[in-house]
Amino acid sequence: GAGVSQTPSNKVTEKGKYVELRCDPISGHTALYWYRQSLGQGPEFLIYFQGTGAADDSGLPNDRFFAVRPEGSVSTLKIQRTERGDSAVYLCASGTNQGSPLHFGNGTRLTVT
Amino acid sequence: QKEVEQDPGPLSVPEGAIVSLNCTYSNSAFQYFMWYRQYSRKGPELLMYTYSSGNKEDGRFTAQVDKSSKYISLFIRDSQPSDSATYLCAMYVGGSEKLVFGKGTKLTVNP
Repeated sequence: GAGVSQTPSNKVTEKGKYVELRCDPISGHTALYWYRQSLGQGPEFLIYFQGTGAADDSGLPNDRFFAVRPEGSVSTLKIQRTERGDSAVYLCASGTNQGSPLHFGNGTRLTVT
Repeated sequence: QKEVEQDPGPLSVPEGAIVSLNCTYSNSAFQYFMWYRQYSRKGPELLMYTYSSGNKEDGRFTAQVDKSSKYISLFIRDSQPSDSATYLCAMYVGGSEKLVFGKGTKLTVNP
């Protein structure tokens, strides 16, 4: 596609529910990243995939957060037992190789009520 | 102290003004420096990408890196109302994939 696509653009869920956020990277990009941006803050790193494997998941805040990229293209960020503090914009980015500039999607705005 | 410090503003200037945006950082291992522009409810968009100290120019935008002072700047010449956005500095250590962002500076250019 022309750019990084994220769905849904908005998600409202109740505390304790499970959510899945999807990212479709730019075609051919092997590197995929998830970031989280809280209001008034810059994005914060969550996880990085090179191909199908999570090369660095050190930014995931706790074990309620998990991400997969089974075929090396689309990725899903999964959040279990959501908490109000999880409310933020979840951004996905992709790149061609290590050190290349990142191209971001428009994010999924998650609101936990 | 955060690794990357950026004054969140807001910054308001008249159309045509020269804008200066800055970030300081504490980790001397940072090697790659970027500036992103983020419009409301959109993802960050890459503006400038630099590796070494010195200046890099692209149209109305100039990025400056001073590694000895751990200080980076973005200058916007002849600012336009369409430049109104939040500007994020970002940087990472070579070999790492973690891009570390500043908080962002919200800029408004008034016609």
